[in-house]
Amino acid sequence: DGGITQSPKYLFRKEGQNVTLSCEQNLNHDAMYWYRQDPGQGLRLIYYSQIVNDFQKGDIAEGYSVSREKKESFPLTVTSAQKNPTAFYLCASTTTHSTGGETQYFGPGTRLLVL
Amino acid sequence: GQQVMQIPQYQHVQEGEDFTTYCNSSTTLSNIQWYKQRPGGHPVFLIQLVKSGEVKKQKRLTFQFGEAKKNSSLHITATQTTDVGTYFCAGPGNTGKLIFGQGTTLQVKP
Repeated sequence: DGGITQSPKYLFRKEGQNVTLSCEQNLNHDAMYWYRQDPGQGLRLIYYSQIVNDFQKGDIAEGYSVSREKKESFPLTVTSAQKNPTAFYLCASTTTHSTGGETQYFGPGTRLLVL
Repeated sequence: GQQVMQIPQYQHVQEGEDFTTYCNSSTTLSNIQWYKQRPGGHPVFLIQLVKSGEVKKQKRLTFQFGEAKKNSSLHITATQTTDVGTYFCAGPGNTGKLIFGQGTTLQVKP
């Protein structure tokens, strides 16, 4: 969890507004991920990026957009097309074990609320 | 599609009782990982299991990977209030990215 920062901690969105959630890591990890977590639920993958200037849709990408212009940064924009954006958003980056397999390191998260 | 399922979804125990959560994958996994998320916090990596039948211990926590590498369990002996949280298992999907189970939320009554 160390080395990944997310801001803001809380974010309020008005109807029809786009908002951007920041995620920065100084772990020199290549891959970064965005997850959405609803109360009492697991983690659902929104987008992921395995290398700079490339990203892939996850399971629930509709209403979201991302960019990966720098290795350290992977911002997530929640667009007005996302009709139910209230959730806890978690950013993660990945390192590979010596025995294989990737471990995800999560940021502290951003709680998005709709006004 | 590939799925990772966890049971139970919730568990309430009295402090001092044992607790077990089970994880089942629809496909064979190359490895399985466990994460813990404290209330209001973010998931934190606990451990990775790689070998068939592997058992690893971390103090009161015992992790097991099934012989067929399709299931895993986390057992906590003599729970404490600090064990409260949601425990997730995760395994690599066909595209390499991790697939998380829904999590088991543990409540411990002092």
